[in-house]
Amino acid sequence: GESVGLHLPTLSVQEGDNSIINCAYSNSASDYFIWYKQESGKGPQFIIDIRSNMDKRQGQRVTVLLNKTVKHLSLQIAATQPGDSAVYFCAAGKGRRALTFGSGTRLQVQP
Amino acid sequence: ETGVTQTPRHLVMGMTNKKSLKCEQHLGHNAMYWYKQSAKKPLELMFVYSLEERVENNSVPSRFSPECPNSSHLFLHLHTLQPEDSALYLCASSQGRGTSTNEKLFFGSGTQLSVL
Repeated sequence: GESVGLHLPTLSVQEGDNSIINCAYSNSASDYFIWYKQESGKGPQFIIDIRSNMDKRQGQRVTVLLNKTVKHLSLQIAATQPGDSAVYFCAAGKGRRALTFGSGTRLQVQP
Repeated sequence: ETGVTQTPRHLVMGMTNKKSLKCEQHLGHNAMYWYKQSAKKPLELMFVYSLEERVENNSVPSRFSPECPNSSHLFLHLHTLQPEDSALYLCASSQGRGTSTNEKLFFGSGTQLSVL
């Protein structure tokens, strides 16, 4: 089966700095990856996704990088703002199997 | 708002009680999901419904009983729960038929359940 792990349970950054949240997955056959953000008292909110035929995908202030060789996924947030403080989850999936989620990294933005 | 509404937001119940969680999606999606989120653990998929038919059941104890009367509504009926069932229960929906992982999930805010 698949296992997904985030490298750090907590990440603290200064406001205005760039944040990088890393994630590793175990199944080399996984072909779909997704990042969610969960604020306190809310459900997970979609941020960005990427398929295995891509190495990089950019959104508004966010970039996801996929390194299939080492089975590593990262989320980069540019110019981190206090509103970015939340728990970030990555998930990986393949075919009909349900997405496997990681346990989350809590991003704390210091003013 | 994500278009997925869950009620109640909080629920406290004894081990002998029977209660139900409700989820409604206003997105016109075809698939609905129940997830369990425990502290410091990854999201665990419980059930998937596609066009009102259950397509996935991840070895969930029978004290959890899902019901999907139509593609917009999903219930989770609870009875004789255990304290370890205390968690945040999240409902989600997706556009497709719930048979592919390549689907963006839209989550509700969850029901925080405490079993005493």
